[in-house]
Amino acid sequence: AQSVTQLDSHVSVSEGTPVLLRCNYSSSYSPSLFWYVQHPNKGLQLLLKYTSAATLVKGINGFEAEFKKSETSFHLTKPSAHMSDAAEYFCVVIPSGSARQLTFGSGTQLTVLP
Amino acid sequence: DGGITQSPKYLFRKEGQNVTLSCEQNLNHDAMYWYRQDPGQGLRLIYYSQIVNDFQKGDIAEGYSVSREKKESFPLTVTSAQKNPTAFYLCASSSTGGFTDTQYFGPGTRLTVL
Repeated sequence: AQSVTQLDSHVSVSEGTPVLLRCNYSSSYSPSLFWYVQHPNKGLQLLLKYTSAATLVKGINGFEAEFKKSETSFHLTKPSAHMSDAAEYFCVVIPSGSARQLTFGSGTQLTVLP
Repeated sequence: DGGITQSPKYLFRKEGQNVTLSCEQNLNHDAMYWYRQDPGQGLRLIYYSQIVNDFQKGDIAEGYSVSREKKESFPLTVTSAQKNPTAFYLCASSSTGGFTDTQYFGPGTRLTVL
């Protein structure tokens, strides 16, 4: 069975400082991994996805994530936070060869301080 | 504009009543999905449909029903059998039925049972 753990339920950063949102997964197979962002009372928007190509994945709005198989991690980073980045972020894992089992993490709420 | 629409945005229901949430997409996607989101939790899959006139149960299908009579529409009925229906409901679609495809989300419907 697969699972995904977002290590921080809340992260606060100051505007202009780096962002790190941590995600660890467990999966029996080589997974596909996604990061989604959700602004208040809105649907989810895809930030980026990893599907066994390059391990460093670049997404929208300056975000990127690195797939590290040895650490079973897929942390999301951004060099410089903007006020508009304040939102909830979800890490999602889908193992390959599965019966379409998609698992969401519990989310990380990002606060950006002026 | 292509996208996914959900209506209504807010819905109130009395205990014991069935209620139907609408989801429409004009992206010409084959697959559609319904998720439930509770505070502090990630999304959980209720039902999904990979093709017209076919749908499959997700992780928490009990107390819910769906239909897929048209490609662009995937309504969700929350029945009186659902013990705790108050939640935020999100509809999504993807171009094919593969879960590794990018899913595009609607803005959601917040259901409150009075």
